[in-house]
Amino acid sequence: EIVLTQSPGTLSLSPGDRATLSCRASQSLSSTPLAWYQQKPGQAPRLLIHDASSRATGIPDRFSGGGSGTDFTLTISRLEPEDFAVYYCQQYGSSPYTFGQGTKLEIK
Amino acid sequence: QVQLVESGGGLVKPGGSLRLSCIVSGLTFSDWYMSWIRQAPGKGLEWVSYINSGSSATNYADSVKGRFTISRDNAKNSLYLQMNSLRVEDTAVYYCVRGHTILGAWGQGIRVTVSS
Repeated sequence: EIVLTQSPGTLSLSPGDRATLSCRASQSLSSTPLAWYQQKPGQAPRLLIHDASSRATGIPDRFSGGGSGTDFTLTISRLEPEDFAVYYCQQYGSSPYTFGQGTKLEIK
Repeated sequence: QVQLVESGGGLVKPGGSLRLSCIVSGLTFSDWYMSWIRQAPGKGLEWVSYINSGSSATNYADSVKGRFTISRDNAKNSLYLQMNSLRVEDTAVYYCVRGHTILGAWGQGIRVTVSS
């Protein structure tokens, strides 16, 4: 089973800041089968990024993803108030398809 | 727009059973793999199971294998999860999700509590 480790656990930033979230896989993912999801309190997760760098439909371009192999990042270029939430990465290159433990992005 | 609506959750004793249902609208249900994902209270996301579009292939997390059964009825645009021999550690919000790799649409979730 591929283990995904997200860092940091909590990120404290202010609106307008740039956020960089990390996701590291325990073994290399062939191609780029990695997605990012955003979850706000009391809501279901929402797909942001798939295939490591492709934005899902309707996702603002301040969200971008990158990386390959074992190291992936989600970048939010300028934080809006609605971006403060928990973010999960997920790999779908090898079953079972696993999630990271999440990064909480909180207002500083 | 795509809507996924779960039902069937609730409180059940350890060893008991529950059947979750999910009605899907706004897409051609029979075209899509479907999944169940769960989230224990205050915890992260855990993939539970998926089924292919024609019901010929299913897959389960080791934690539920042999106890849970996923199924679907394409004529009714519905997805199901039969949960038997429930354990305290199965307590979670269960999400019905479109897809099995890229999880593109999620229901609002249904709470399952296993407690004596």
